[in-house]
Amino acid sequence: EAGVAQSPRYKIIEKRQSVAFWCNPISGHATLYWYQQILGQGPKLLIQFQNNGVVDDSQLPKDRFSAERLKGVDSTLKIQPAKLEDSAVYLCASSYSGTSGSGGDTQYFGPGTRLTVL
Amino acid sequence: GQQLNQSPQSMFIQEGEDVSMNCTSSSIFNTWLWYKQDPGEGPVLLIALYKAGELTSNGRLTAQFGITRKDSFLNISASIPSDVGIYFCAGTNAGGTSYGKLTFGQGTILTVHP
Repeated sequence: EAGVAQSPRYKIIEKRQSVAFWCNPISGHATLYWYQQILGQGPKLLIQFQNNGVVDDSQLPKDRFSAERLKGVDSTLKIQPAKLEDSAVYLCASSYSGTSGSGGDTQYFGPGTRLTVL
Repeated sequence: GQQLNQSPQSMFIQEGEDVSMNCTSSSIFNTWLWYKQDPGEGPVLLIALYKAGELTSNGRLTAQFGITRKDSFLNISASIPSDVGIYFCAGTNAGGTSYGKLTFGQGTILTVHP
């Protein structure tokens, strides 16, 4: 079974530029998550989709971050304009249903995109 | 919001030694999870705990869900070089409207000397 795919793996931009990340979840997984992991910290949830609907975006800085999951499969996360403090690894994860703590709801993470903002 | 505190922040041990790390929360969780993250990779689930007081093993790993629901412990026995990495605890109040949202600790960096 293929895992969660993310691209690009690395991105270097200057502040005030725009950047987009792409995620392809595991086939059949209804729930998709975007996390931000700053160096030395644990992942922090930015947004969670259930199929193509948003169920939690309370920690997404909506003035500069946006995300979409068209057709309930792939997702893109965009930052516009980027700030220095956005430098982090952006992780995408997916799970079967995301509704309860059963084994089928294990979140599987992709390798992440490392963003450096200069 | 909910915060998880992991300790220790880092550990340097000799191959073959046992390792213990723990995680405490300011609030209750109904599920505790332990993940391992290797450099350049995403976290991988090691153990999941669903009941207060539960003790679960996965090979050389043993984890416990604290009775108060505000803490969890992970033990690694007879460490080997491939145990090197960052270990994260995570809590969730799955079910209802929470939809499995995870709150992560800040991680414990484990280094194993051969």
